[in-house]
Amino acid sequence: GENVEQHPSTLSVQEGDSAVIKCTYSDSASNYFPWYKQELGKRPQLIIDIRSNVGEKKDQRIAVTLNKTAKHFSLHITETQPEDSAVYFCAASSDHAGTYKYIFGTGTRLKVLA
Amino acid sequence: KAGVTQTPRYLIKTRGQQVTLSCSPISGHRSVSWYQQTPGQGLQFLFEYFSETQRNKGNFPGRFSGRQFSNSRSEMNVSTLELGDSALYLCASNQDGNTEAFFGQGTRLTVV
Repeated sequence: GENVEQHPSTLSVQEGDSAVIKCTYSDSASNYFPWYKQELGKRPQLIIDIRSNVGEKKDQRIAVTLNKTAKHFSLHITETQPEDSAVYFCAASSDHAGTYKYIFGTGTRLKVLA
Repeated sequence: KAGVTQTPRYLIKTRGQQVTLSCSPISGHRSVSWYQQTPGQGLQFLFEYFSETQRNKGNFPGRFSGRQFSNSRSEMNVSTLELGDSALYLCASNQDGNTEAFFGQGTRLTVV
């Protein structure tokens, strides 16, 4: 069945270091890969996304890379700051037939140590 | 524009009872999806509604059901509650043709 694996489940980095979170998806029809950040007690919020026709996308300190052949995609955060501390979720979706069903990874708790 | 609104924010129910949760999408969004969030399991897809029709369904038992009204507001119902149904229930709305999902704050359901 459809599945998204996410690693690591927890990640601690020193402020200013980089953080990398990796995901693997199973459904080869997936063509949209968003990343959500969820702070404690708050709703998930989209931070970056990538489509299957693109290999990399960057937005300031955040970048996402996609390897369609290996069905891997990764989130890279550079120059981490304490406010980056949160739980990050990757997801995979196929917008064929217009449905917006997301398959989420199990999340990565990122702690940025000051 | 108002964001996705979910009510109530918190609920405590007893095993065997039923519960109804509500979600109002962003104005103009016709797709509403529901997710169950539990520690260690992440967000699991329950179902998606579009124009009052269920368009997709996850792997949850029939005790979980939903519906959507003509104004795109959606409700989900869980009957015969079990302790394992305790979770944060999130809904998300999408604009037609836009894969970005906007989430509500969620309803935290505790079954005792």
